[in-house]
Amino acid sequence: KAGVTQTPRYLIKTRGQQVTLSCSPISGHRSVSWYQQTPGQGLQFLFEYFSETQRNKGNFPGRFSGRQFSNSRSEMNVSTLELGDSALYLCASSFGTGDSNQPQHFGDGTRLSIL
Amino acid sequence: GQQVMQIPQYQHVQEGEDFTTYCNSSTTLSNIQWYKQRPGGHPVFLIQLVKSGEVKKQKRLTFQFGEAKKNSSLHITATQTTDVGTYFCAAHRNDYKLSFGAGTTVTVRA
Repeated sequence: KAGVTQTPRYLIKTRGQQVTLSCSPISGHRSVSWYQQTPGQGLQFLFEYFSETQRNKGNFPGRFSGRQFSNSRSEMNVSTLELGDSALYLCASSFGTGDSNQPQHFGDGTRLSIL
Repeated sequence: GQQVMQIPQYQHVQEGEDFTTYCNSSTTLSNIQWYKQRPGGHPVFLIQLVKSGEVKKQKRLTFQFGEAKKNSSLHITATQTTDVGTYFCAAHRNDYKLSFGAGTTVTVRA
């Protein structure tokens, strides 16, 4: 079974631009969560989608948004990029139904660098 | 802020020695999960603890959930170079939002 796939792996942008990251979950998984990982802040939860609906949201500004498609694939968008948005963006999937105590399966992440 | 506090932040271990990393919360947790992230890699799920006082073992790794379900520990015996990486604890609240601890980064001296 294929794992979680994130594209692109690396991205370089400049301040003020916007970016879209993509995540394909493990087949059968309907929940997709996004995390930002930086050396200073660790792993920070961005949001979680289930059945095309945002079910949970972290404490990030509105510049960070996402969506999920009917095939469970998810995209994350960051607008008006700032230097502080440089980070590894990780996507994780799980079945998402029933008990919330489910392990997260992570992709390799997208390394975003803002110049 | 983070729901769980993890200590120590860094652990430098001599190969063959044991060490423990701790995860603490001010509130009762419904469960605790542990992940390992190798350098340059992504977090990989190791184990989940749900019951009060639960202890689970994976070869040289022993995971424990406190009686009050407010703390957890990961103990590694006879550390090997393959144990290098960052170990995270993570906890759910009553939803699908997972809060990660800051992680313990382990380096091993051969």
